[in-house]
Amino acid sequence: EDKVVQSPLSLVVHEGDTVTLNCSYEVTNFRSLLWYKQEKKAPTFLFMLTSSGIEKKSGRLSSILDKKELFSILNITATQTGDSAVYLCAVYNNAGNMLTFGGGTRLMVKP
Amino acid sequence: EAQVTQNPRYLITVTGKKLTVTCSQNMNHEYMSWYRQDPGLGLRQIYYSMNVEVTDKGDVPEGYKVSRKEKRNFPLILESPSPNQTSLYFCASRLKDRREQYFGPGTRLTVT
Repeated sequence: EDKVVQSPLSLVVHEGDTVTLNCSYEVTNFRSLLWYKQEKKAPTFLFMLTSSGIEKKSGRLSSILDKKELFSILNITATQTGDSAVYLCAVYNNAGNMLTFGGGTRLMVKP
Repeated sequence: EAQVTQNPRYLITVTGKKLTVTCSQNMNHEYMSWYRQDPGLGLRQIYYSMNVEVTDKGDVPEGYKVSRKEKRNFPLILESPSPNQTSLYFCASRLKDRREQYFGPGTRLTVT
């Protein structure tokens, strides 16, 4: 059974801090890993990673995948209160039809 | 505006009363999917559809039905809802050759 585990479950930081969110997975014939941000509504897409070692970057957010060790990290630098959300990691299996989500990391950024 | 819409957004119903949650997308996406989100369990896939008349089960299909008669619509049907189907439901869609899915606003369902 495909499995995605995120850690920590929740995190409280202050504005300006840097955070690292973790995602490990066990998926039959891994195809790609996606990160989503969920505020009080639908998840919004952040990154997709398919190859090891290549960092994806968007402003203060960046992510990298390690296919050998079966994990990904999402870094957020200089955090802002608007970064407060649940961050979801999800993995596609070989057929690319089934997306398995982790339980999410709830990030709270205090002023 | 490119979007995925769901209706209703909120629904309170009673056990056994059939209901349908509609999902529609205007992006000409081939792939559509339904998820439920529960505290501590994250998002779990219920059903997905690769194209018109092509549907398949996800991780938690029991108690649900879907149909895909038109490309833009993918309704979720609960023939006999039970309290354990109380959840937040999301519809999502994407192009068949892309992996990023676009989610609808969610439907909060309560079954008493």
